Amino acid sequence: DAKTTQPPSMDCAEGRAANLPCNHSTISGNEYVYWYRQIHSQGPQYIIHGLKNNETNEMASLIITEDRKSSTLILPHATLRDTAVYYCIVRATLGGTSYGKLTFGQGTILTVHP
Amino acid sequence: DGGITQSPKYLFRKEGQNVTLSCEQNLNHDAMYWYRQDPGQGLRLIYYSQIVNDFQKGDIAEGYSVSREKKESFPLTVTSAQKNPTAFYLCASRPGQGLTSNQPQHFGDGTRLSIL
Repeated sequence: DAKTTQPPSMDCAEGRAANLPCNHSTISGNEYVYWYRQIHSQGPQYIIHGLKNNETNEMASLIITEDRKSSTLILPHATLRDTAVYYCIVRATLGGTSYGKLTFGQGTILTVHP
Repeated sequence: DGGITQSPKYLFRKEGQNVTLSCEQNLNHDAMYWYRQDPGQGLRLIYYSQIVNDFQKGDIAEGYSVSREKKESFPLTVTSAQKNPTAFYLCASRPGQGLTSNQPQHFGDGTRLSIL
């Protein structure tokens, strides 16, 4: 699975949009981009995923560049409860040795402040 | 509400003791996973199961065992052979059989295991 690079930390004011970048320059054609977040001492929470088109759900939007080498997770109106570690993961749909497992990197610590 | 329930939330193990962590899901998901998370680190796959009565070792299976007798249940036993069991254990499930599914995994809230 392709490696991802995320900034270690970001700040955002409450009520403003939080834009979290992810670089996955070695992504291949069959790999999806997944975003999860983890609040301390809780399990990771699924946010959104996509292949090449932009996606939106009730939690967030995912913007994937045309060359698929990077993506941005957008939380449109951040709240204090959005403070968490955000993980960008790239995973192939094919089996091989990946077992379908998710490989979490270090992620981005997002701090939303009043 | 549908979801994944892990119990207990906190567990303590004595030397030489086996302990079992429970994972139950009512999402009708086929695939289930066990991960281990150590402080400041990512998740590492212990075992996974794509269907009832079938399971496979992940990257760090030594010292652990699992069973999958029912679709909704995937218990993990941490045996005395696991010399460094202190960690946060996470169970996940995913709809659709086969590794080709792009459906996301959903996680429980974890069990924190410590050595007495």
